[in-house]
Amino acid sequence: DQQVKQNSPSLSVQEGRISILNCDYTNSMFDYFLWYKKYPAEGPTFLISISSIKDKNEDGRFTVFLNKSAKHLSLHIVPSQPGDSAVYFCAASPYSGGGADGLTFGKGTHLIIQP
Amino acid sequence: KAGVTQTPRYLIKTRGQQVTLSCSPISGHRSVSWYQQTPGQGLQFLFEYFSETQRNKGNFPGRFSGRQFSNSRSEMNVSTLELGDSALYLCASNRDSYNEQFFGPGTRLTVL
Repeated sequence: DQQVKQNSPSLSVQEGRISILNCDYTNSMFDYFLWYKKYPAEGPTFLISISSIKDKNEDGRFTVFLNKSAKHLSLHIVPSQPGDSAVYFCAASPYSGGGADGLTFGKGTHLIIQP
Repeated sequence: KAGVTQTPRYLIKTRGQQVTLSCSPISGHRSVSWYQQTPGQGLQFLFEYFSETQRNKGNFPGRFSGRQFSNSRSEMNVSTLELGDSALYLCASNRDSYNEQFFGPGTRLTVL
């Protein structure tokens, strides 16, 4: 049973436009959500996170939105740049912070920014 | 500050063999976690070590084991390798369970 789902294996967006990556979860105990970015031949790097007490968190070009009632979160990248081309993983945890305890990852979405 | 390092970066083994992977966390980080990444299953949690003790374990068979040393370095061992064990094995470290993790570049294991 997949508790964190990223239903789009890949997404292609034109440079300068908005990229929207989606993530759904089924476990209502999840309390903290994170996005990681991964380039080929490198490990994932932390991008942005959000606690369940918030519905939005912004960091520069990256904004994460959380809809708890729908068990849905999304990552918005505006404007999209060529260096944003990577695999993005959504992760969720029943605990605050982003430690390994209880952390569950989605399968990832490959974002491709077209010039 | 040096990042998480993993050795070796690439490894080719045959079925039935065993393998040991190594991870050196960021200085000062006491928690080390291991993940398996495959195209079909994404990132799956193997186990977490904190102060030389396994604190959490994912849903993997007993062929997968690990340990942590007093300097926080960790090793992961897979015995009786199967074709399905071919994957990228990632190690991550953090100060404790309440901080975001920092990942190493991974070890690409191919089982023939």
